[in-house]
Amino acid sequence: NAGVTQTPKFRILKIGQSMTLQCTQDMNHNYMYWYRQDPGMGLKLIYYSVGAGITDKGEVPNGYNVSRSTTEDFPLRLELAAPSQTSVYFCASTRSGGAGADTQYFGPGTRLTVL
Amino acid sequence: RKEVEQDPGPFNVPEGATVAFNCTYSNSASQSFFWYRQDCRKEPKLLMSVYSSGNEDGRFTAQLNRASQYISLLIRDSKLSDSATYLCVGSYIGYGQNFVFGPGTRLSVLP
Repeated sequence: NAGVTQTPKFRILKIGQSMTLQCTQDMNHNYMYWYRQDPGMGLKLIYYSVGAGITDKGEVPNGYNVSRSTTEDFPLRLELAAPSQTSVYFCASTRSGGAGADTQYFGPGTRLTVL
Repeated sequence: RKEVEQDPGPFNVPEGATVAFNCTYSNSASQSFFWYRQDCRKEPKLLMSVYSSGNEDGRFTAQLNRASQYISLLIRDSKLSDSATYLCVGSYIGYGQNFVFGPGTRLSVLP
């Protein structure tokens, strides 16, 4: 299993540009999450999904959109990038029940800089 | 008030030392707790779960006190490789399973 994969690893955007951060997991997990982590800070939840076709806002959703058309994929869309969105973005997934359901598996992260 | 709070750190300790981290949580609905380890510029990885009576894994011991809403992590015989940021995490069942991360405590183990 590759686990949780994210692309790209790094990206520099200009203010106002848009991009999609890709996240894929091959563990058949129902729950998927997007977090951002600013320097020296903890993780903040942007959006999450409990299954294909179902998404909901987290703590800091403004400026972002998500979709979940399949169990495996959970892309995060940034529209009109702003310097405040400079951060490291982590995607994570979790089983929805049974043994090990509490464990979150994280992707390697995408480092985004908006200039 | 933040839902999960941790010692701000950084903790700088010599090899072989014992170090303890503290964490408090404010959401009494939190059901499960975890310690994650995050190396510099890397993703968080589960170190250990913390259940009602606490648990031990080698040099690491985690304790949970639900009455005081307090969690601790004890690292004995610190190794250089223990240098990392330690994240305290609570989870509760809401719409799906929700995880709340503390800001982390940075540990540097010095030779």
